[in-house]
Amino acid sequence: GDSVTQMEGPVTLSEEAFLTINCTYTATGYPSLFWYVQYPGEGLQLLLKATKADDKGSNKGFEATYRKETTSFHLEKGSVQVSDSAVYFCALTRGAGGFKTIFGAGTRLFVKA
Amino acid sequence: NAGVTQTPKFQVLKTGQSMTLQCAQDMNHEYMSWYRQDPGMGLRLIHYSVGAGITDQGEVPNGYNVSRSTTEDFPLRLLSAAPSQTSVYFCASRRQGNNEKLFFGSGTQLSVL
Repeated sequence: GDSVTQMEGPVTLSEEAFLTINCTYTATGYPSLFWYVQYPGEGLQLLLKATKADDKGSNKGFEATYRKETTSFHLEKGSVQVSDSAVYFCALTRGAGGFKTIFGAGTRLFVKA
Repeated sequence: NAGVTQTPKFQVLKTGQSMTLQCAQDMNHEYMSWYRQDPGMGLRLIHYSVGAGITDQGEVPNGYNVSRSTTEDFPLRLLSAAPSQTSVYFCASRRQGNNEKLFFGSGTQLSVL
């Protein structure tokens, strides 16, 4: 079945450091790919998405590129801030899979001042 | 805009008790779903629905029932609570289509003693 694998956390960075959170997926066909973010005590909210191969999603300085050849959707940010501390989830939705959305295990990010 | 409303926010049950977690959305979304969030496991899909009268199982459906009699409501029923069902539960909805983002409720923290 469909699945999403993320790098384990927690990830601890200093402010202004470069961030990469790895995400790979397994799915037949052409899923849409998403990154969601969860701040403490809240539900998840969409950070960015990409709906076809080679698309780049971007938002708030975060970027991720849909790489079908490596089945990956790695999240990057050039300079993190303390306010970026949160849990980040990679997810996919595949229409032929009944339109359900499958999430990875999440990666917790701590950014130190 | 209310969005996705979940009740209750907190609940403590004894083993064997039953209860219903409520979820309502006011965005006329066709797709609704329930996830549970456990440390290190990410979000796992329990049940989902693509429209009124249509439900299907996700990754971890055992011990839970759902129904979808209206577009707005998607309650989750625990038939006989077990300690393994201690978790944070999230309801989420979206428009149909694999490019659409999920809107999440604020979650229900459930403890089964």
